[in-house]
Amino acid sequence: DQQVKQNSPSLSVQEGRISILNCDYTNSMFDYFLWYKKYPAEGPTFLISISSIKDKNEDGRFTVFLNKSAKHLSLHIVPSQPGDSAVYFCAASEEGNTPLVFGKGTRLSVIA
Amino acid sequence: EAGVAQSPRYKIIEKRQSVAFWCNPISGHATLYWYQQILGQGPKLLIQFQNNGVVDDSQLPKDRFSAERLKGVDSTLKIQPAKLEDSAVYLCASSASGGGTQYFGPGTRLLVL
Repeated sequence: DQQVKQNSPSLSVQEGRISILNCDYTNSMFDYFLWYKKYPAEGPTFLISISSIKDKNEDGRFTVFLNKSAKHLSLHIVPSQPGDSAVYFCAASEEGNTPLVFGKGTRLSVIA
Repeated sequence: EAGVAQSPRYKIIEKRQSVAFWCNPISGHATLYWYQQILGQGPKLLIQFQNNGVVDDSQLPKDRFSAERLKGVDSTLKIQPAKLEDSAVYLCASSASGGGTQYFGPGTRLLVL
């Protein structure tokens, strides 16, 4: 049973436009959410996170939105750049010393 | 600050052989994780250490996988004997404390023939 779901395996966006990556979760105990970016042959790189006490967190071109009632979060990249082309993983954890649960990832392609 | 180091980067073995992977976490990070990432899937936790103690190994196939972190710093993950379905990328991650942001190494890509 997948607790973290990324239902879009891939997404193509034109350079300069907004990229929106979505993630749904089923475990209501999750209270910390992260996005990781992964290039081929590299490990995942931490991008941005949000705790359940917030509904938005911004870092430069990246913004994560959390809708707890819908158990949904999204990552917005504005403006999208070709270097953003990678696989993006959504991950979640419960409070305290618990491991991350990852989604299957969404491959973003930003077309110049 | 140096990141998480892993070796080897690639390994090809035949089924029933044994293999070991090494990880050195970010200096000062008390928590260390091993993940398995099968092609097309997200990383799945195998084992979590807090210092040199095991916090969670519920997803580790203990009949063939073992891991240790004897001095609370670097760690090794071993597979013996390997099966075809063990072909995956093995990722090591560390965090300053359990529940904090995890930082990943480059991974070891294992191919079992």
